[in-house]
Amino acid sequence: QKEVEQDPGPLSVPEGAIVSLNCTYSNSAFQYFMWYRQYSRKGPELLMYTYSSGNKEDGRFTAQVDKSSKYISLFIRDSQPSDSATYLCAMMEVQFYFGTGTSLTVIP
Amino acid sequence: SAVISQKPSRDICQRGTSLTIQCQVDSQVTMMFWYRQQPGQSLTLIATANQGSEATYESGFVIDKFPISRPNLTFSTLTVSNMSPEDSSIYLCSAPGEPYNEQFFGPGTRLTVL
Repeated sequence: QKEVEQDPGPLSVPEGAIVSLNCTYSNSAFQYFMWYRQYSRKGPELLMYTYSSGNKEDGRFTAQVDKSSKYISLFIRDSQPSDSATYLCAMMEVQFYFGTGTSLTVIP
Repeated sequence: SAVISQKPSRDICQRGTSLTIQCQVDSQVTMMFWYRQQPGQSLTLIATANQGSEATYESGFVIDKFPISRPNLTFSTLTVSNMSPEDSSIYLCSAPGEPYNEQFFGPGTRLTVL
């Protein structure tokens, strides 16, 4: 079993839709959870950073961590074409573990 | 946050040759990391580069194939040696942020081996 599981998609939504991206994990020791956005031919860019359980909101983005279910989510409200990218979840316990990334396309 | 640059951004190389990738961080960091990103796969950690000591390699990666230098707290190089088409990938360097443990990435080096 992989440490981190993420549906690769691709996911295609109309502009203005709410997007839900998810990852599951197996290691209950993970304490730090991150979401990265990666545009084509670019390096991953840190989008959201959460410690332990709970929600964190930053503009149109909300990150949720449910440690009891070993499940994290990223919600994007009022999605824009500029949100089209690959989104990677990441978790840390001594070292980092990354999901495979979900490819998102927001259609104007 | 750390701002990280990499050179070259991309290269096409012949089998059997070597390529050295440079990574520059805009602040002093204790650790720097080198990752490989292949299509459809998660980021794979190659090694951790510590200033003043030998790099620490992950399972499946060896120093002879991926020698790393870390001459100071802002710079590191990764060499991909004796390349084969299987080495075609994106190579990324990263550094941790302070005071938190998030990682910041460079733009990546897209390597194609013919």
